[in-house]
Amino acid sequence: GAGVSQSPSNKVTEKGKDVELRCDPISGHTALYWYRQSLGQGLEFLIYFQGNSAPDKSGLPSDRFSAERTGGSVSTLTIQRTQQEDSAVYLCASSLTPKEETQYFGPGTRLLVL
Amino acid sequence: DAKTTQPPSMDCAEGRAANLPCNHSTISGNEYVYWYRQIHSQGPQYIIHGLKNNETNEMASLIITEDRKSSTLILPHATLRDTAVYYCIVRVGNQGGKLIFGQGTELSVKP
Repeated sequence: GAGVSQSPSNKVTEKGKDVELRCDPISGHTALYWYRQSLGQGLEFLIYFQGNSAPDKSGLPSDRFSAERTGGSVSTLTIQRTQQEDSAVYLCASSLTPKEETQYFGPGTRLLVL
Repeated sequence: DAKTTQPPSMDCAEGRAANLPCNHSTISGNEYVYWYRQIHSQGPQYIIHGLKNNETNEMASLIITEDRKSSTLILPHATLRDTAVYYCIVRVGNQGGKLIFGQGTELSVKP
């Protein structure tokens, strides 16, 4: 079956611009996660959705970062006024339920801020 | 969640067993050991998890010491496609939520 998909796969933007990254989780998965991986860094948690609500936003690095999820499915991560340090791979994962142990990851969106 | 320690890199010959160690000396009784791997330019992939008994699936085996302070992930017959960064994660079971990734072990399988 279809896995987690993310779009775009690559995004180049100029400093100061806003970007939107999209995640389509596996159908029926109620939990959705956003992570990011900077060059040479490990994977860093950003935010977690259970249905359309976000019980854990502790990883969002600043108020320029926001995310929403609609219809318990698609999620959008928005970065406003992008900075060069926002350059990273943004990964989305989903799991069948919030307590499900296995998270299934998408291929990521590579964001480059010039 | 307990902290884990892994060697930064390891080599393994193709066809041989790859044994990846992980130390988690502060693990609590209700914490499980999880392994994920990340092949270059891909998202992480779940491999296996366990509490205290050894576990085996189609991908790997997980051996947890009796005191649960360390574990070993075993890939019985490593192939070139197993070259990846392997992450050992300790977290409370049946609670879901975020995964906290360390630096992992970069495994290079060589022909």
